[in-house]
Amino acid sequence: SDELTQPPSVSVSPGQTARITCSGDALPKQYAYWYQQRPGQAPALIIYKDTERPAGIPERFSGSSSGTIVTLTISGVQAVDEADYYCQSADSSGSYVVFAGGTRLTVL
Amino acid sequence: EVRLVQSAAEVKKPGESLRISCEGSGYTFTIYWIAWVRQMPGKGLEWMGLVYPGDSDIRYSPSFQGQVTISADKSIRTAYLQWSSVKASDTAIYYCARFSVTTDSGSFFDYWGQGTQVSVSS
Repeated sequence: SDELTQPPSVSVSPGQTARITCSGDALPKQYAYWYQQRPGQAPALIIYKDTERPAGIPERFSGSSSGTIVTLTISGVQAVDEADYYCQSADSSGSYVVFAGGTRLTVL
Repeated sequence: EVRLVQSAAEVKKPGESLRISCEGSGYTFTIYWIAWVRQMPGKGLEWMGLVYPGDSDIRYSPSFQGQVTISADKSIRTAYLQWSSVKASDTAIYYCARFSVTTDSGSFFDYWGQGTQVSVSS
């Protein structure tokens, strides 16, 4: 299957580390990308090519990849990080864009 | 500065036609794909399709093929998403996004428009 699966929600206290996973059979062959969508705003790219951060994205955001699972890690979570996070990749043939269902990060 | 500016919110009745737009600036419009992404109320992101303004090549998600029409006019740096007959289930926010296709980093959405709210109700 070319679907991507994320947990619906993750909750952490300020200062702790949040980990959001994304799993999919095509991930060993296709790069993963992560987007942050704050309430009422458009999505924004925060990780590309599994592990790379675009300019201007804080170092507390990092990405990793292992087989069929990619992980977004947010170290030292802040209240401003409360948002929905989406994993995106391509299908196994590289022809179509695929989004996972998204994870709501709640900062307690 | 790269910018994608979308048209204003729309309120339509079922059966009406609709076209929304996305104007790009701050980059060479013709060499980047523009994508459309749907977000239904309280739901996640869904990729609808892509248009390459340089030659108007279009790719649709299988889920949206035949449901909408995507196009672009490179002379005015604008991409479009249109419906011939909207339904209540088309109520959503629609985002356009620049889709960067790279040789070494894959393909991803690097800039997004602000979104266009479409509401369909009788």
